[in-house]
Amino acid sequence: GAVVSQHPSWVICKSGTSVKIECRSLDFQATTMFWYRQFPKQSLMLMATSNEGSKATYEQGVEKDKFLINHASLTLSTLTVTSAHPEDSSFYICSASRTRTYEQYFGPGTRLTVT
Amino acid sequence: SQELEQSPQSLIVQEGKNLTINCTSSKTLYGLYWYKQKYGEGLIFLMMLQKGGEEKSHEKITAKLDEKKQQSSLHITASQPSHAGIYLCGADRNNDMRFGAGTRLTVKP
Repeated sequence: GAVVSQHPSWVICKSGTSVKIECRSLDFQATTMFWYRQFPKQSLMLMATSNEGSKATYEQGVEKDKFLINHASLTLSTLTVTSAHPEDSSFYICSASRTRTYEQYFGPGTRLTVT
Repeated sequence: SQELEQSPQSLIVQEGKNLTINCTSSKTLYGLYWYKQKYGEGLIFLMMLQKGGEEKSHEKITAKLDEKKQQSSLHITASQPSHAGIYLCGADRNNDMRFGAGTRLTVKP
């Protein structure tokens, strides 16, 4: 199977600090990784799409400078929430795909709480 | 407005009953994904459809993509409480990924 892990699974941080979330494809090479955000009882919102070795493509309304995405290798993508605020508290999910149109495999998610 | 229309928004069924969830796009899709999610947990990928007329089944769940590749239906046969959750459709429109608003399914024992 294709396994995607996320670390940490949950994190609590203070307002104004930065938090990094890792997304790893454990047994396959992921050309493309996606980052999503979910609000309670709402659907997912795609934040950005990243291809290995190139800059991420952000969705409209997502602040590039606040949500830094790096996809430096075929098995690792990171999302850094800079200067976090309580409104950034959410459930962040990544997914990985071998190619742009191939099946996506989802990580278990990371719950971020900003106090 | 949602570019992917999912219906119904919520659904309550008695255990053992069949149900259908629909996902409609105004544009032709390169791929249509169905996921299930329980609130606070990660998504579970159910299946992906790419070809017009394609149909796939996983246990008691069957998904179809119409010939025009603009509408998909997810059918659950003999629903069980374990089927409860939010069902999402997601569409790949050639370098543009979109999700429906989700259908919240409740199965009453």
